[in-house]
Amino acid sequence: SAVISQKPSRDICQRGTSLTIQCQVDSQVTMMFWYRQQPGQSLTLIATANQGSEATYESGFVIDKFPISRPNLTFSTLTVSNMSPEDSSIYLCSAADLDGSSGNTIYFGEGSWLTVV
Amino acid sequence: TQLLEQSPQFLSIQEGENLTVYCNSSSVFSSLQWYRQEPGEGPVLLVTVVTGGEVKKLKRLTFQFGDARKDSSLHITAAQTGDTGLYLCAGARDSNYQLIWGAGTKLIIKP
Repeated sequence: SAVISQKPSRDICQRGTSLTIQCQVDSQVTMMFWYRQQPGQSLTLIATANQGSEATYESGFVIDKFPISRPNLTFSTLTVSNMSPEDSSIYLCSAADLDGSSGNTIYFGEGSWLTVV
Repeated sequence: TQLLEQSPQFLSIQEGENLTVYCNSSSVFSSLQWYRQEPGEGPVLLVTVVTGGEVKKLKRLTFQFGDARKDSSLHITAAQTGDTGLYLCAGARDSNYQLIWGAGTKLIIKP
């Protein structure tokens, strides 16, 4: 199993500013992902964080708005740039490891709750 | 785009009652996972089902993967207030870590 730590856990941000969320995994993992979630709703994948190369973004998400880094197999950051109130959401880091015959196992951090005012 | 339809989206029942949550798709998944999420926390994996027709039990929770690996259900027997939370299903395609997520079921168990 993997334990994922995210920080900050919660922040209130001013419109137009940027915030970087850090994600630390306690073991090396193959894949890392960043999701966005509105409270009580399902998850929307922002991008796959690729080690040593540019992240792979999903439709509707771009690097200029959500730059992502992944310098090694245990750490990634997501920056929410030039924030607006529409960016208020929970941002979740997840990590995946191939679990053989049991299927892919994906773990989540506790999330970073951002409120943009 | 693969869709995973989850139902119901909201369920409020009395403690002691039984309930079933469904996830259905027209596409085949290599595996399907069920998560539970409480407010202020990230989703926590409950179970992964891999084989068509598979049934897994986790105390009062029974998970089933359809024979064709297109659908799954979560059945809770004698629900308790501690079962309250958001339940999410997510399907994985072959050799792909990316998950297709259901819309979630917000479950409230009333004492």
